[in-house]
Amino acid sequence: NAGVTQTPKFRILKIGQSMTLQCTQDMNHNYMYWYRQDPGMGLKLIYYSVGAGITDKGEVPNGYNVSRSTTEDFPLRLELAAPSQTSVYFCASSWADRSGNTIYFGEGSWLTVV
Amino acid sequence: GNSVTQMEGPVTLSEEAFLTINCTYTATGYPSLFWYVQYPGEGLQLLLKATKADDKGSNKGFEATYRKETTSFHLEKGSVQVSDSAVYFCALQNANKLIFGAGTRLAVHP
Repeated sequence: NAGVTQTPKFRILKIGQSMTLQCTQDMNHNYMYWYRQDPGMGLKLIYYSVGAGITDKGEVPNGYNVSRSTTEDFPLRLELAAPSQTSVYFCASSWADRSGNTIYFGEGSWLTVV
Repeated sequence: GNSVTQMEGPVTLSEEAFLTINCTYTATGYPSLFWYVQYPGEGLQLLLKATKADDKGSNKGFEATYRKETTSFHLEKGSVQVSDSAVYFCALQNANKLIFGAGTRLAVHP
């Protein structure tokens, strides 16, 4: 029962470093999402994808990039890490059709930028 | 635009007390509504959902009714347990994207 798998679970970055958060799902979902959750706050959508080769910006895309070369994988890249990107990141996926969908979340990646 | 407003926490209750967590929304069209729960150190799990007006979602003793006239989706449980301690998020779905409220922390004491 893998579902949505994110790596790494914890990471400390120095300001200006780059890294990629990996996300993979084994449910053959067409939609995938990246959210960030700041302390005491709800989740904000960073980027999402409606299928392989298609990505779009969410509410807070600045400082991030994504790609979707396969149905299963949706990595999130931070090019020049900044302290404001210290957060918990959640990848999610869903099968979306006209009847609606349920979004399934990974366990989260805790990122600290110092 | 679309938005979700939840009551601020923390909510602190004794075991077996009645729980209500208020949630109201603003949306264009006819969104689906959700409650997600986040236990300490974990990701979000779907608790319940409702896809149209007057639908009632229920799971694990929790209930919420989609009220279009009051644009609300309040979460209720008749008798909470210590194991219900978590953060609860109300969310609406529009165009296959979820918009979350800020979350309400629930602490249940024996």
